[in-house]
Amino acid sequence: DAGVIQSPRHEVTEMGQEVTLRCKPISGHDYLFWYRQTMMRGLELLIYFNNNVPIDDSGMPEDRFSAKMPNASFSTLKIQPSEPRDSAVYFCASRKFYGYTFGSGTRLTVV
Amino acid sequence: SQQGEEDPQALSIQEGENATMNCSYKTSINNLQWYRQNSGRGLVHLILIRSNEREKHSGRLRVTLDTSKKSSSLLITASRAADTASYFCATFMDTGRRALTFGSGTRLQVQP
Repeated sequence: DAGVIQSPRHEVTEMGQEVTLRCKPISGHDYLFWYRQTMMRGLELLIYFNNNVPIDDSGMPEDRFSAKMPNASFSTLKIQPSEPRDSAVYFCASRKFYGYTFGSGTRLTVV
Repeated sequence: SQQGEEDPQALSIQEGENATMNCSYKTSINNLQWYRQNSGRGLVHLILIRSNEREKHSGRLRVTLDTSKKSSSLLITASRAADTASYFCATFMDTGRRALTFGSGTRLQVQP
């Protein structure tokens, strides 16, 4: 199994641009999570899905953030418009039972 | 908000020594998990301990859980340079949000 696959690994964009982060979870995992990691705030849960349905999006910071999971093998996290304070590492994780499997993350820099 | 707070924030030891990291949390939990993160990488699941368990072992790892004190500890015995990483505890609560809440992490440096 290739694990959780995220793309791109690095993204540098200008303030105001739209950014789309992508995630392919492990096949058979029915939960998918998006986390954001910064030095100041640590790991924050943004949103999670169960069987492709968003369950809790209370961690999504603003309306500028949106996430979708159109099928069991793909999810996107979109930021529009992006701002410098969105700079962070964004992780996708999936699980079937208890232990999470994380992707390698997308390092987003908004200048 | 972070459920877990870890102590110490940073730890530097010599290869062969034991490393102990502590985690405190605030609410009732179903289980507590420990993860490792190497620099620039994603988190890797190490071990899970359920709320009705007090101690668990996995290789060189030993985890304890004290639900009365709302605390856990991770012991790495006979540390190696390859154990250099950040270690996070994460809690899964009995009710409400069905997702892990991560602590602030301990950065472990093992000197060869």
